[in-house]
Amino acid sequence: DQQVKQNSPSLSVQEGRISILNCDYTNSMFDYFLWYKKYPAEGPTFLISISSIKDKNEDGRFTVFLNKSAKHLSLHIVPSQPGDSAVYFCAASRGGGNKLTFGTGTQLKVEL
Amino acid sequence: DTAVSQTPKYLVTQMGNDKSIKCEQNLGHDTMYWYKQDSKKFLKIMFSYNNKELIINETVPNRFSPKSPDKAHLNLHINSLELGDSAVYFCASSLTGTSITNTIYFGEGSWLTVV
Repeated sequence: DQQVKQNSPSLSVQEGRISILNCDYTNSMFDYFLWYKKYPAEGPTFLISISSIKDKNEDGRFTVFLNKSAKHLSLHIVPSQPGDSAVYFCAASRGGGNKLTFGTGTQLKVEL
Repeated sequence: DTAVSQTPKYLVTQMGNDKSIKCEQNLGHDTMYWYKQDSKKFLKIMFSYNNKELIINETVPNRFSPKSPDKAHLNLHINSLELGDSAVYFCASSLTGTSITNTIYFGEGSWLTVV
């Protein structure tokens, strides 16, 4: 039972354009959501997060949007840069605990 | 300085062997984890330790035994290795989450291949 889903395994975007990565979840008890970025042969690194009391959180080029009624969140990267090429994992937790449930990741490729 | 370091990075071993993966963090965190990423890319938590005490055990076969000698170390020992144990194992650490989920920092992963 995959409670966090990233239905697009890959995404290709041109440099300078917007990248939109999507994530859906099924467990309504999740109240905190995170995005992690992973380069090959490295561990995931934290990118940005959002609490369920908000619908938007922005950090530089990265913005996460949360739609609780649709149980959907998205990560916007604008403008996209070649260094953004990586696998992006969506993750969720509940009740302030540190147990993260991850999606399967989306491979983003930013082309010149 | 690597914040969360795990060794070995690559390990190829035969079925039936026993192997260990070591993990150390120098971030002063009190909670450590082991995650497994399988061939389908699912990244799932296996164990979590807080101040050397087991707090999460996610239905992992008892061939897997984590050991935390102190809060900066969490080692993973695997007995009687099976082909299905082939995966990337990530160690991670964080501060204890109370009202919020604290950022979890991951190591670079240990690629285990059982032949």
